[in-house]
Amino acid sequence: GDSVTQMEGPVTLSEEAFLTINCTYTATGYPSLFWYVQYPGEGLQLLLKATKADDKGSNKGFEATYRKETTSFHLEKGSVQVSDSAVYFCALEGGSYIPTFGRGTSLIVHP
Amino acid sequence: GAGVSQSPRYKVAKRGQDVALRCDPISGHVSLFWYQQALGQGPEFLTYFQNEAQLDKSGLPSDRFFAERPEGSVSTLKIQRTQQEDSAVYLCASSLNPSAKNIQYFGAGTRLSVL
Repeated sequence: GDSVTQMEGPVTLSEEAFLTINCTYTATGYPSLFWYVQYPGEGLQLLLKATKADDKGSNKGFEATYRKETTSFHLEKGSVQVSDSAVYFCALEGGSYIPTFGRGTSLIVHP
Repeated sequence: GAGVSQSPRYKVAKRGQDVALRCDPISGHVSLFWYQQALGQGPEFLTYFQNEAQLDKSGLPSDRFFAERPEGSVSTLKIQRTQQEDSAVYLCASSLNPSAKNIQYFGAGTRLSVL
């Protein structure tokens, strides 16, 4: 079945540091890929998505590129802020509309 | 409303007690999903509604779990005879229509603790 593997957290960075959170997936066919963010006490929010190979999703300074050859969708940001502290979930949707989520990676950004 | 609303935000239940969790989706959204999120894990799919029809309940972990959406808007997830392993955050999400490319909007969840 479909699965998503994320790097374990927490990831702890200083403000303005470069962020990478790794995500790899296993799926049949050509899934859509997503990153969701969950701030403390809130529900998940869609951060960005990509629906086909080589697509780049971007939002709020975050980027991720759909790499079919490496089955990866790594999340990057050039300069993180304290307000980016949250839990980030990688997810995929295959042929159905039911997403499969990774375990989540906690990001802590210090001033 | 402006977003997906879930109530209560927190629920403490004694083992064996029945609980009911409510979800108010975004007005006009056809699709509604329930997920279970254990501590330190990602959301796991429980069940899916398209309007009032429950089209997929393959994720419900046992027959103690029951969900309904009788008028195609508000949904209730009921857990009978709660067990400690039911302790988790229960998330509801809605989307405009059943397209695989549509964005799901999540509520803040109900944190259930079974003692």
